[in-house]
Amino acid sequence: EVQLVQSGAEVKKPGESLRISCKGSGYNFTTYWITWVRQMPGKGLEWMGRIDPSDSYTRYSPSFQGHVTLSTDKSISTAYLQWSSLKASDTAMYYCARQGLDVWGQGTTVTVSS
Amino acid sequence: QSALTQPPSASGSPGQSVTISCTGTSRDVGGYKYVSWYQQHPGKAPKLMIYEVNKRPSGVPDRFSGSKSGNTASLTVSGLQADDEADYYCSSYAGSNKVFGTGTRVTVL
Repeated sequence: EVQLVQSGAEVKKPGESLRISCKGSGYNFTTYWITWVRQMPGKGLEWMGRIDPSDSYTRYSPSFQGHVTLSTDKSISTAYLQWSSLKASDTAMYYCARQGLDVWGQGTTVTVSS
Repeated sequence: QSALTQPPSASGSPGQSVTISCTGTSRDVGGYKYVSWYQQHPGKAPKLMIYEVNKRPSGVPDRFSGSKSGNTASLTVSGLQADDEADYYCSSYAGSNKVFGTGTRVTVL
């Protein structure tokens, strides 16, 4: 079965760093980009960016460029979304999805509060 | 990039049809054949329902259909069922990025 499994919920303080993960299984991880999507509480979906696990080539939405970093470790079929300094406005559900958005992870809730 | 415009809500009785619009520009919806639609039930991850304007992934009922004219794409759900009650989002390729719609809540009366 093709699936993406994301890491668990996180509660952080403003200014802290964070890395969440998305592990693929059931398919050749390097063949499909991984996309990240944000959904703020009660709001719609926002495309954050994508990464090609084969060469780590990335594209970021202008709205997220410079604030998050996408990376992968193809040896363990895992993609990462990272913040160096969280803000309260980063509180949201974050989804990873396979290229074509045909397979989605279950989501990771990130709460940033002092 | 601005989000694609969808009506906030739509509704229909069981067995009826509902159509949701998704309006963009020539730089996204109008410029490419890569329009997709997603269904999201409360507390769940989105599910791909339509890709490349009018193609259905395996397992998606043929009650779901997509189309596009100019800068506007549409999703039609025929024969509404209780489980169709959900939020629906469109998305489009937009150059090297992707953009989502604002979302439509479909209510089955």
